Amino acid sequence: GAVVSQHPSWVICKSGTSVKIECRSLDFQATTMFWYRQFPKQSLMLMATSNEGSKATYEQGVEKDKFLINHASLTLSTLTVTSAHPEDSSFYICSARDPQGLNTEAFFGQGTRLTVV
Amino acid sequence: SQKIEQNSEALNIQEGKTATLTCNYTNYSPAYLQWYRQDPGRGPVFLLLIRENEKEKRKERLKVTFDTTLKQSLFHITASQPADSATYLCAQAGGTSYGKLTFGQGTILTVHP
Repeated sequence: GAVVSQHPSWVICKSGTSVKIECRSLDFQATTMFWYRQFPKQSLMLMATSNEGSKATYEQGVEKDKFLINHASLTLSTLTVTSAHPEDSSFYICSARDPQGLNTEAFFGQGTRLTVV
Repeated sequence: SQKIEQNSEALNIQEGKTATLTCNYTNYSPAYLQWYRQDPGRGPVFLLLIRENEKEKRKERLKVTFDTTLKQSLFHITASQPADSATYLCAQAGGTSYGKLTFGQGTILTVHP
């Protein structure tokens, strides 16, 4: 199946700093990627839809100025958590669908564990 | 509002038995449902997709059913093994973006040797 790679797999940062997470589709082009957040013992919650060459679409309640998304190429989307606070500590996961694929399943990155201290 | 729910937070079974996980949906009729496996600290991995006009779908030891009358999908793992222990998530796609998924809460399956 298609491969989505996410980097870094974990990061620790100080409060007030910004952290960038990368999501790459390795063997296909993705005009759309999705960013999810998962708190411990909870399910994945969609944060935003990343659109190549245009603005991201954010879900209700997600601050677009805090979670900056850039989708500059067909294989790369980035999520920047700005002015991070301890409550932003979470597991962030990206996904994409191979538009050439026959099925409609999503392929997920391995996730990024963010800890803000 | 549309809801997709997995009522069992955890399921413990003995090795060799069949695990059955439930996913219910309310207030809408999804064209298809998907099932994913998630291991701790990892992203979900796709397992099976079943469409509304399909009663059943199989893949090796996995079987998924879709009952539009009961508004329910069942996910079965036969001859379960300790390696099957993981969190299993059902999901439905929103709108025209197939990759935009809404997940159930997940069921943590533990298979005891």
